[in-house]
Amino acid sequence: AQSVTQLGSHVSVSEGALVLLRCNYSSSVPPYLFWYVQYPNQGLQLLLKYTSAATLVKGINGFEAEFKKSETSFHLTKPSAHMSDAAEYFCAVSLNYGGSQGNLIFGKGTKLSVKP
Amino acid sequence: SAVISQKPSRDICQRGTSLTIQCQVDSQVTMMFWYRQQPGQSLTLIATANQGSEATYESGFVIDKFPISRPNLTFSTLTVSNMSPEDSSIYLCSAWPRGYGYTFGSGTRLTVV
Repeated sequence: AQSVTQLGSHVSVSEGALVLLRCNYSSSVPPYLFWYVQYPNQGLQLLLKYTSAATLVKGINGFEAEFKKSETSFHLTKPSAHMSDAAEYFCAVSLNYGGSQGNLIFGKGTKLSVKP
Repeated sequence: SAVISQKPSRDICQRGTSLTIQCQVDSQVTMMFWYRQQPGQSLTLIATANQGSEATYESGFVIDKFPISRPNLTFSTLTVSNMSPEDSSIYLCSAWPRGYGYTFGSGTRLTVV
């Protein structure tokens, strides 16, 4: 069965510093991987997704993630944090059932705080 | 991008009552998914709804408590029955519209008092 582990329930960085949010997955078949952001009292917004094309995926708001099969990882990075990046981030995995995609399995989330 | 319209966006309900949440996708989809996000928690899948068949429920969720309808390829409803304060959560529907990524509705924030 597939699963997602997000290391660190809380991450705090200074404005302008590198953001690194860790995600490891477990899957018996090539997965689809996603990062979502949730701002307080708002819904989920897709940051980026990996669907077996390029291993380095660029998303919105300057975020990117690299799929590393050997490490079963899909860590999210941003070179320079902005105050507006403070939010909860969720990593998720899905299997591609022959073109008919299944549900997502979510990690527990990482709350990012950005200090001025 | 594809749109999933979900309503209501929020509601405050009395315990013992039921609330039906509706989701409309702007294109046909095979499967729709319903999730629950309890306060401060991640998302948990409640059930998968295929058109023309019974919904498939995850462990810990039962049809009597969370009946689901899927009358056509663009619409689904989730009912939260006989509510208690423990049902206070955000409920989200989602789908994979063809050509688009995994898309979520905007969520229903439910408070049971």
